[in-house]
Amino acid sequence: NAGVTQTPKFQVLKTGQSMTLQCAQDMNHEYMSWYRQDPGMGLRLIHYSVGAGITDQGEVPNGYNVSRSTTEDFPLRLLSAAPSQTSVYFCASSYSNLAPDTQYFGPGTRLTVL
Amino acid sequence: AQTVTQSQPEMSVQEAETVTLSCTYDTSESDYYLFWYKQPPSRQMILVIRQEAYKQQNATENRFSVNFQKAAKSFSLKISDSQLGDAAMYFCAYRISQGGSEKLVFGKGTKLTVNP
Repeated sequence: NAGVTQTPKFQVLKTGQSMTLQCAQDMNHEYMSWYRQDPGMGLRLIHYSVGAGITDQGEVPNGYNVSRSTTEDFPLRLLSAAPSQTSVYFCASSYSNLAPDTQYFGPGTRLTVL
Repeated sequence: AQTVTQSQPEMSVQEAETVTLSCTYDTSESDYYLFWYKQPPSRQMILVIRQEAYKQQNATENRFSVNFQKAAKSFSLKISDSQLGDAAMYFCAYRISQGGSEKLVFGKGTKLTVNP
């Protein structure tokens, strides 16, 4: 198993550009989520999904869109990038949200918005 | 508000010695799960140890153990026989599941340095 994979590892955008951060897992996990990590802020939940076709907002959803068309993939879209979105983004997954379980994290994507 | 507080931004320990990282949390829930994650310079978040709140027995994983005090809402991590590879950021987190809504709340982290 590859676990949780994220692409790209690094990205530089200009203000107003759009892009999609990719996340995939091959563990047949129902639950997937996106976090951002900022210095001195820990990790904060952006969006999450409890299964294909179901998504919901986390703590800091503004400026981000998600969709979950398959169990494996959970892309995060920035429609119009802003400097405040400069951060490290982590995707995570776990088997189920109903049975509390350990979340496994991807390697992260470092995004810089100029 | 549900929060996690790690009061030690930085800690250091001598190789082979023991160090304890503190964590307190605030929640009104009775059923939740607690975690310690390690983040080395590679940025990968690695699960170190987990604790179910309904269990009184403290979790242990090899050199890592926790001191879980539910009434005090305290969840400290003890690393015994510290090794150079233990140097990393350590994040305390708790997870609750409410009616299909999942929430994982993190502290701001403690940077651990291991001195040879």
